Amino acid sequence: QVQLVESGGDVVHPGGSLRLSCAASGISFSSHAFHWVRQAPGEGLKWVAAISYDGSNKDYLDSVKGRFSIFRDNPKNTFYLQMNSLRVEDTAIYYCARDKCGGADCHDAFDIWGQGTMVTVSS
Amino acid sequence: DIQMTQSPSTLSASVGDRVTITCRTSQNIGSWVAWFQQKPAKAPKLLVYRTSSLENGVPSRFSGGGSGTDFTLTITSLQPDDSATYYCQQYDDWTFGQGTKVEV
Repeated sequence: QVQLVESGGDVVHPGGSLRLSCAASGISFSSHAFHWVRQAPGEGLKWVAAISYDGSNKDYLDSVKGRFSIFRDNPKNTFYLQMNSLRVEDTAIYYCARDKCGGADCHDAFDIWGQGTMVTVSS
Repeated sequence: DIQMTQSPSTLSASVGDRVTITCRTSQNIGSWVAWFQQKPAKAPKLLVYRTSSLENGVPSRFSGGGSGTDFTLTITSLQPDDSATYYCQQYDDWTFGQGTKVEV
């Protein structure tokens, strides 16, 4: 079955940490870049972070730089988002998504999405 | 940063109508635009990529067009199942548009 499954969402206090996971099954994993996208309650989509197929290149939304870190474990077909120093404004559903392009130095649209995991930052 | 301006924010139309959603970017991004459909409590679904390529399994009543800074998603013969929010995205730096809620 072709799918991405997120886990790790929870309720945390401001300043806390969480690690989100995205496990892939039934799809090509190690040759594709992957992304995290979030959606605050009642709001639109916002791209958060990207990681290249081999983990050598990473990119982040300005507001999460220095606080969030994306990494991957290709043998486990899983990638992650480590979120530190969480803020109330980080509250959102976090989706993982696969970049349609497979291979080095390319990117394309997000063709496969997970179901989302909820992160709530509240005191 | 590249800005994406999507319009209209909401759209109400009838079954069988043709509707067009527009996205304008703040700089030329070639053909690197995608369109997504999102229904309540569901993940986004890719409809169109590289401006005009239809993703596998997407009905042919959906089509994308444009180039440079102006892009469109057109739905011909609108169906009740098309009620959803639609987002454009440019994947030069992955910015999304603000979304268009379509009510059928």
